[in-house]
Amino acid sequence: AQRVTQPEKLLSVFKGAPVELKCNYSYSGSPELFWYVQYSRQRLQLLLRHISRESIKGFTADLNKGETSFHLKKPFAQEEDSAMYYCALKGSGTYKYIFGTGTRLKVLA
Amino acid sequence: ETGVTQSPTHLIKTRGQQVTLRCSSQSGHNTVSWYQQALGQGPQFIFQYYREEENGRGNFPPRFSGLQFPNYSSELNVNALELDDSALYLCASTLSGSNNNSPLHFGNGTRLTVT
Repeated sequence: AQRVTQPEKLLSVFKGAPVELKCNYSYSGSPELFWYVQYSRQRLQLLLRHISRESIKGFTADLNKGETSFHLKKPFAQEEDSAMYYCALKGSGTYKYIFGTGTRLKVLA
Repeated sequence: ETGVTQSPTHLIKTRGQQVTLRCSSQSGHNTVSWYQQALGQGPQFIFQYYREEENGRGNFPPRFSGLQFPNYSSELNVNALELDDSALYLCASTLSGSNNNSPLHFGNGTRLTVT
């Protein structure tokens, strides 16, 4: 079955602390993995994608095919990182995105 | 660059009625997808339109249908509304081509409430 699992509904960290949002997936094939973010009163928007291998707003995510994971990490959380984060996958050559249920990140002052 | 716009923002309908939601894709994009997001869930794929034809569908019944117009705008129609259809409906556009790696750009969504 094709599935994206985000085990934490809510993650609270203090400002300056490291943060890791977990994402595991189940997919037979070679998926593309994404992290989308939704800030308060804004639309869902792309944060980063594994094929880009880039750091956006200090966030990075490494695709671990052995563990079928794509965890999102940031070494020092900022208050403006508070948002809803969704992990998503898309099968290579397909059009359908499968989203996880999301993790709400709260960065406390 | 004009982003994805959806209308209306909110809608209340009665069970059994029909509803049409509208979406204008981001300029330069030729593909539109629709997603349903129930409370506390992630977006769930309904279908995608490319060149005015449906070219992919998720696990939704036929009473969910759509259209794409020559200007790449799109409509989502839902017939015989059920209480469980209450959700946020998201439209997303992208540019499909040989590379097929353009990410989704989402609208703000239409909040549908079925009573």
